[in-house]
Amino acid sequence: SYELTQPLSVSVALGQTARITCAVDNIGSKNVHWYQQKPGQAPVVVIYRDSRRPSGIPERFSGSNSGNTATLTISRAQAGDEADYYCQLWDGNTVVFGGGTKLTVL
Amino acid sequence: QVQLVESGGGVVQVGGSLRLSCAASGFSFSNYGMHWVRQAPGKGLEWVAFIRYDGSDEYYADSVQGRFTVSRDNSKNTLYLHISSLRGEDTAVYYCAAGYTYGPADYWGQGTLVTVSS
Repeated sequence: SYELTQPLSVSVALGQTARITCAVDNIGSKNVHWYQQKPGQAPVVVIYRDSRRPSGIPERFSGSNSGNTATLTISRAQAGDEADYYCQLWDGNTVVFGGGTKLTVL
Repeated sequence: QVQLVESGGGVVQVGGSLRLSCAASGFSFSNYGMHWVRQAPGKGLEWVAFIRYDGSDEYYADSVQGRFTVSRDNSKNTLYLHISSLRGEDTAVYYCAAGYTYGPADYWGQGTLVTVSS
């Protein structure tokens, strides 16, 4: 089955840049979406179609996708960015989520 | 504003059945595909099922194929998930989410908890 590999955890100092990866062979040929989920809340889309940002999402959130890795980048990290982040794509007619990455802002 | 409200969760015994509902408002429900996504306690997101905007097609995760059935009633702006032959590993918060086919899940509900007990 199709599996998207994310690091279990990423730490970033306040104000610095965090990068969260999502890997599988040839992911660059797919459209990747990213979600942020805070404790007790539903997920929210922060990046869609690799690099597009929904209205209301800060410009500090950006995405890229090439080769075997898609990356969510959070610039000037804030305490409020602490959350779990999931990548997601469509594989044919099924949807696949990555295992999720816990972002800690130090 | 957009609202998705799930209901129907609860405690059910192994092998039992349940029907979850998701009431939609604030957007054009009949234009959107709909997902069910679940999250076991302390675990990540797991996609369960998707139904196209007009109900013409349904897709399922292998883990639920043959046990779960997704349906919708566009006249009532409501999505359903019939779940049967429940197992312990089906214990999770079940979210409904709206999104176009092959796109992201744009709108999410707050979820309903299903607990399968032995």
